[in-house]
Amino acid sequence: NAGVTQTPKFQVLKTGQSMTLQCAQDMNHEYMSWYRQDPGMGLRLIHYSVGAGITDQGEVPNGYNVSRSTTEDFPLRLLSAAPSQTSVYFCASSYLRDSYEQYFGPGTRLTVT
Amino acid sequence: AQSVTQLGSHVSVSEGALVLLRCNYSSSVPPYLFWYVQYPNQGLQLLLKYTSAATLVKGINGFEAEFKKSETSFHLTKPSAHMSDAAEYFCAVRSLSGNQFYFGTGTSLTVIP
Repeated sequence: NAGVTQTPKFQVLKTGQSMTLQCAQDMNHEYMSWYRQDPGMGLRLIHYSVGAGITDQGEVPNGYNVSRSTTEDFPLRLLSAAPSQTSVYFCASSYLRDSYEQYFGPGTRLTVT
Repeated sequence: AQSVTQLGSHVSVSEGALVLLRCNYSSSVPPYLFWYVQYPNQGLQLLLKYTSAATLVKGINGFEAEFKKSETSFHLTKPSAHMSDAAEYFCAVRSLSGNQFYFGTGTSLTVIP
């Protein structure tokens, strides 16, 4: 049971480049989410999904796209990277019942130059 | 929108001393509340959660938190700090719809030997 996995661990992009951050979970969780963590700002929700084919926006969705074609995977796409997207990105998952206890991946540290 | 406020971005305690990390929430109804811990260069790990079953919640590593509706607070405590408790701590609240989570800005705990 690997839990929540994220790839890559580190990434450097130039302004305007695009890329996809990968997230996978093997716990059969219905709910998956993406957060960005910036110093002094805690974690902010970017997008979330309550099941395959269902996604919705969080607090800070601009500049990011998501899709959920399977229960296991929830990739985050940066369409045209900007320096303001330099951050640490976390994926999390949980069941859609009880307290929604979330399990977090190890994070991806992204730098946009 | 619901939110949480963590008072004190940095807290220092001596080893063996009481740990008190403060969290206040804004909600008109008793929410689901969480405390997470983040060790350096890692993802977040759940410490404990409040789901209305009991106002005093015990978590892992000797931490506990008390839900006080009259004060809209959910402060995290530990009677005796250990060096291994040095980490970043986040308070979070689940939205009434259940689909979004809001995190505080975090409190960095330093334990002085």
